[in-house]
Order: sequence, then structure tokens, then C-alpha cells
Amino acid sequence: QVQLVESGGGLVKPGGSLRLSCAASGFPFSDYYMNWVRQPPGKGLEWISYVSSGSGFTNYANSVKGRFTISRDNAKNSLFLQMNSLTVEDTAVYFCARASWKQPEFDSWGQGTLVSVSS
Amino acid sequence: QSVIRQSPSTSGTPGQRVTISCSGSRSNVGSNYVYWYQQLPGTAPKLLISRNDQRPSGVSDRFSGSKSGTSASLAISGLRSEDEADYLCAAWDDNLSGPVFGGGTRLTVV
Repeated sequence: QVQLVESGGGLVKPGGSLRLSCAASGFPFSDYYMNWVRQPPGKGLEWISYVSSGSGFTNYANSVKGRFTISRDNAKNSLFLQMNSLTVEDTAVYFCARASWKQPEFDSWGQGTLVSVSS
Repeated sequence: QSVIRQSPSTSGTPGQRVTISCSGSRSNVGSNYVYWYQQLPGTAPKLLISRNDQRPSGVSDRFSGSKSGTSASLAISGLRSEDEADYLCAAWDDNLSGPVFGGGTRLTVV
């Protein structure tokens, strides 16, 4: 069955960096767009980035552009999010999610990993 | 503040039919597919309605979606206690060149 498992979350100080990972299994990983979506505590969802199936295209929300970098390793069925210059507004649960194309048709999600930015 | 607006909350009684709406603009809901997600407390979202009105495999036919102009709706018939959750819509936004979510509607079954 399709499985997405995020890791790498934790507590970091403002201005710090963190790298999230998402391990995928149960489907042909290289055939799918992969996304990161976050949810601040008690708030709604915010899409923040996607990478196309072949890594040829990436896209970012304005809120993270220039600070976050999405990447994937199709040989290892893994998705990554490098987060730099973190601020308290980046505090959220970060989900990885699968889609067949760039549209927000996220048909599988991980359980999420919590990133807390605090001094 | 999301570019797609949803009422923060709604409620219904068991067996009732409820409708949750999302209101966008020409750049998102008006010109792109709308997707609906159900998020039960403490869990990841689940795709409920795809491409305006398509139910993914395994989703109950009590859930249905529709779109008209720059608004979309999710209807839930035969309301059950287990439907108590947050419901969010999403669409591609041509101006932002990326997906956007509505703020979400919390459904309470009283």
C-alpha cells in the first residue's frame, strides 16, 4: 500500500535550518509529483512546494521562496525539504503529499512532522 | 488570509444534508478544478472530491461536489457523527502559479 513517512522535524531557533525527509513506498515514486504542505497549529493548510516527477520543475509558495529548497532522490524513493532562515511563522506540521500532476489533487499524505521555531 | 474563502464553521444533525461552500475568484475556482479534503482531528487530510465532482475510489457516495462560476460546494447527505471534521477546498491559482487552499470549515454534528 502507498506509504509516506516524514521525518526530520524538531525545535529550531529563529534563523536556523532544518532538513525534512519523506520516505515513500508502495508506488512508482518517480512517476509522481511530490509536494510539501504545512499546517500551523490550529490553522488551515498551506501548500508550500512541489517537484515534478523527473525533478525538472520545482515551484514554491511566495512565503518560502528563496528560503526553502525541495528535492527528490528517485533512486531512494525519497523527498526532501531544506529549510533555511526559519522564522516563528514557519512553525507548523509539515506533510508530504503525492499528486499525479501540478494540480492540488493530493491523493496520499504522510502523517506529518512538526517543526517548531522558537528562541 | 486565504484567497479562497470558506465559512469557519457549520453544524448539522444526524441524517441531515449539509452543504459547505468555498468562494474564490476567476484566477482559481473560476478557471480551475476544485478539490475537497476531509481532515479528522489529529490526522492527515484525505482527498474527498477530485476535479470538482469526482469521488476517488473508496469515498462514500454521501459526499458530492459541484462548481458554478467562482464558487464550489461540498454536500454531505445522511450526516453521521464520524463526519465531524474540518473540510477544506483547494484549487490551482493562475495568478499565484500554485495551489491554494481555502481556510477550512469545521463541521460539528450535534
